[in-house]
Amino acid sequence: GAVVSQHPSWVICKSGTSVKIECRSLDFQATTMFWYRQFPKQSLMLMATSNEGSKATYEQGVEKDKFLINHASLTLSTLTVTSAHPEDSSFYICSARVAGGAKNIQYFGAGTRLSVL
Amino acid sequence: AQTVTQSQPEMSVQEAETVTLSCTYDTSESDYYLFWYKQPPSRQMILVIRQEAYKQQNATENRFSVNFQKAAKSFSLKISDSQLGDAAMYFCAYSPPGGATNKLIFGTGTLLAVQP
Repeated sequence: GAVVSQHPSWVICKSGTSVKIECRSLDFQATTMFWYRQFPKQSLMLMATSNEGSKATYEQGVEKDKFLINHASLTLSTLTVTSAHPEDSSFYICSARVAGGAKNIQYFGAGTRLSVL
Repeated sequence: AQTVTQSQPEMSVQEAETVTLSCTYDTSESDYYLFWYKQPPSRQMILVIRQEAYKQQNATENRFSVNFQKAAKSFSLKISDSQLGDAAMYFCAYSPPGGATNKLIFGTGTLLAVQP
């Protein structure tokens, strides 16, 4: 149980294009999902908290117009990297909390490697 | 602000031996949650163990156990009978109390190598 699917696992795009990453909770409902960014050999940095049916909460320093988050249902959140540039190349990971489940446990997707040429 | 510190960037252990990974944190809260997550080369984050601060008893999960010292704000992970599959990056994480949008604050990680 508590499986989070993230798609795509790897995407290569040209500079200036937009890329959408999907995060789905497969066997549970998630009122809250989280988006992280991880640079090579570094820790996970929280980018934003995605709340179903409302606007996402962004961490300080994260551009909300650059990283668009939509959480339209209890099982799906999307992260769109708009007008991607090489500096946006990174590993993006989503996680989800089980609605009404054990407090504070987050289940993670397998991540998306974004390479911007 | 809450912070999590892992002072061991890399550790190595022989197969079947025991290893302890260190973690300290800083918070002014009295109730919170602590976690150890494992990230193998696949980069899939896997929950290893979880501790609730109000519980004095140390959490255990099979070969994994923690030494939770609340006063010292220390939360170390002990891996017994180490296996090759335990090789991974291990992250200690803190989550504050509160509502549904509890964040996870991660340490910088410890890379564990298991020698056959």
